Amino acid sequence: GAVVSQHPSWVICKSGTSVKIECRSLDFQATTMFWYRQFPKQSLMLMATSNEGSKATYEQGVEKDKFLINHASLTLSTLTVTSAHPEDSSFYICSARRRNQPQHFGDGTRLSIL
Amino acid sequence: KQEVTQIPAALSVPEGENLVLNCSFTDSAIYNLQWFRQDPGKGLTSLLLIQSSQREQTSGRLNASLDKSSGRSTLYIAASQPGDSATYLCAPESGGSNYKLTFGKGTLLTVNP
Repeated sequence: GAVVSQHPSWVICKSGTSVKIECRSLDFQATTMFWYRQFPKQSLMLMATSNEGSKATYEQGVEKDKFLINHASLTLSTLTVTSAHPEDSSFYICSARRRNQPQHFGDGTRLSIL
Repeated sequence: KQEVTQIPAALSVPEGENLVLNCSFTDSAIYNLQWFRQDPGKGLTSLLLIQSSQREQTSGRLNASLDKSSGRSTLYIAASQPGDSATYLCAPESGGSNYKLTFGKGTLLTVNP
């Protein structure tokens, strides 16, 4: 159990495009979802934490208008990278957790902005 | 702010060797600590979770220890196999209402047949 699905796994798009990434908990209801970003050979950096039905909490230095997070249900959170630029190219990973349980991670989305 | 350091950054060993990966963290007020495995271009697979009240956890050939007061954890891999080749990440989780994981940069392990 505790499967997290992330879609798409890979996306290439032109500069200025907005890109949406979905994160779903397939077999449990996630009270909290997390979004991370990972640059090559770097550690995962937490971008934001979202609880179902409330606004996401962003980490320092993460632009909330750039990275829009929606957590509309207990099984779905989305991250939209608005007006993406080459510097937004990265590996984005989501995770989900139930109350008092460990986080379970998706397989990640590789975003490449041309 | 929690900072996590993993040593070594990379390790290459012949198959069959026992090895130790090290992790240190600056803030000992943690809720638990997890070790993850990450294959290239993939997400994370949880290997072991040690609660802050525990000293170690074992799963198969893996054993993780935790010395919370000194801010250290080690991951011991016995009888390494080529399939163990991956990046291993250490992540202490802060307590309180946030429950945030802070990741190290990882140790890139290569096990040669």
